[in-house]
Amino acid sequence: GNSVTQMEGPVTLSEEAFLTINCTYTATGYPSLFWYVQYPGEGLQLLLKATKADDKGSNKGFEATYRKETTSFHLEKGSVQVSDSAVYFCALTDYGGSQGNLIFGKGTKLSVKP
Amino acid sequence: DAMVIQNPRYQVTQFGKPVTLSCSQTLNHNVMYWYQQKSSQAPKLLFHYYDKDFNNEADTPDNFQSRRPNTSFCFLDIRSPGLGDAAMYLCATSSPSGTGLGETQYFGPGTRLLVL
Repeated sequence: GNSVTQMEGPVTLSEEAFLTINCTYTATGYPSLFWYVQYPGEGLQLLLKATKADDKGSNKGFEATYRKETTSFHLEKGSVQVSDSAVYFCALTDYGGSQGNLIFGKGTKLSVKP
Repeated sequence: DAMVIQNPRYQVTQFGKPVTLSCSQTLNHNVMYWYQQKSSQAPKLLFHYYDKDFNNEADTPDNFQSRRPNTSFCFLDIRSPGLGDAAMYLCATSSPSGTGLGETQYFGPGTRLLVL
C-alpha cells in the first residue's frame, strides 16, 4: 500500500542554520505530496504542496521538490528561526478509494535554539 | 475569515460516558474528515463525509460514530470512551476539484480529549 517515510527526529538546530527534513514515499499512480506543520497544541496547517513530478512547492522560506525518480519530497529552508519550532508532517494523497485521503508520515519534531 | 472551527478545544469525560465533539466550517466544502492523533503520532483517519455520503475506514472501531446534519457541521460521537481513546481529534475539510489532483485539506485546531 501507499506509505510515507520521514526522517526521525527530534531535529535540533541553531537559529539561521540550514534545514533538511527527508521524506520518501511509496505509491501507485501519481499522488500529490504535502508538507503540513503543527505548532504545539494546535491543529495542522498546510505548509506547501506539489501535485506532479518536478513541481516545487514553496511557502514562508520553505521549499520541497517532487522527485519522481527518487520518490522523494524533502523539505528545506535556508535559515531557520525559533518560530519554526514545530512538528512537520510529510503526506501524500491516496486515491485508492473514492476520495483522496491523506497518508501521513510519522512527523519530525524541529527545535530551533536562539 | 473562512475557517474550520472545533469546540471545545479541551474536553474531559469519564470512562464509558458518551461524548460528542463538534466541528463547523465556513468554507462550504463538500468533504469533512475526522482524524485521531495520539501523542507523538501522525493523524489517523477515522472516517469522512462526501456531502451526505459516509465513508468509514476499515479499522475504525464501532465505538466511534459521526453525524453530518448539514454542509457546515459534523459531529464525532464516542459512545463509550475508554482510556485508550484519549487523544487529539482533528476535523478537516476539502473541496474536490474533480481533476484528480491533490485537494488541500484544511484542519481545525483540534479538540484534546481526556478520559478519566
